[in-house]
Amino acid sequence: QQKVQQSPESLIVPEGAMTSLNCTFSDSASQYFAWYRQHSGKAPKALMSIFSNGEKEEGRFTIHLNKASLHFSLHIRDSQPSDSALYLCAVKSGSFNKLTFGAGTRLAVCP
Amino acid sequence: GGIITQTPKFLIGQEGQKLTLKCQQNFNHDTMYWYRQDSGKGLRLIYYSITENDLQKGDLSEGYDASREKKSSFSLTVTSAQKNEMAVFLCASSIDGNQDTQYFGPGTRLLVL
Repeated sequence: QQKVQQSPESLIVPEGAMTSLNCTFSDSASQYFAWYRQHSGKAPKALMSIFSNGEKEEGRFTIHLNKASLHFSLHIRDSQPSDSALYLCAVKSGSFNKLTFGAGTRLAVCP
Repeated sequence: GGIITQTPKFLIGQEGQKLTLKCQQNFNHDTMYWYRQDSGKGLRLIYYSITENDLQKGDLSEGYDASREKKSSFSLTVTSAQKNEMAVFLCASSIDGNQDTQYFGPGTRLLVL
């Protein structure tokens, strides 16, 4: 059964800093890797996703995947207080769209 | 765009009570999901429905029933609420069972006294 783990559990960074969040998975046949962001009391919302090894950048956010290492990460450049949220990584393996989520990293960006 | 509505927002129940949570989506998506979110444990899949009239158990289905009444609605029943239980139940939908992005509702917060 797929195991997905996130690190760190929580993180406090100053405004303007680079933030790095990590996610490891156990199934080497996994096909889809995503980050979701959940502001307090709100619905989780898909942030970015990637299917193949490498890097993908969208604005201040970059996702990096290394399937051989069973690891992917999210990097936030110039972190803003509005980025403060719970970040959940999700991995899909198998033919059906069943996502396995990590426990989350709680990020606080201080002005 | 579309929206997922979950009712009620807050649910307080008694031990042993049967409790029903409702979810509606207007995306016209085929597939719907119910997740449970506990602090420090991420999201765990309870039930999902690939299309109208379909029902599949997830990893955490024991103690729950689900019903896909029509394409736009998916209900979850806690068959016997456990004392001191506290969790958020999230409903989600996706275009179909192959599309990866899931769209979530704001959740129902459950507290059992």
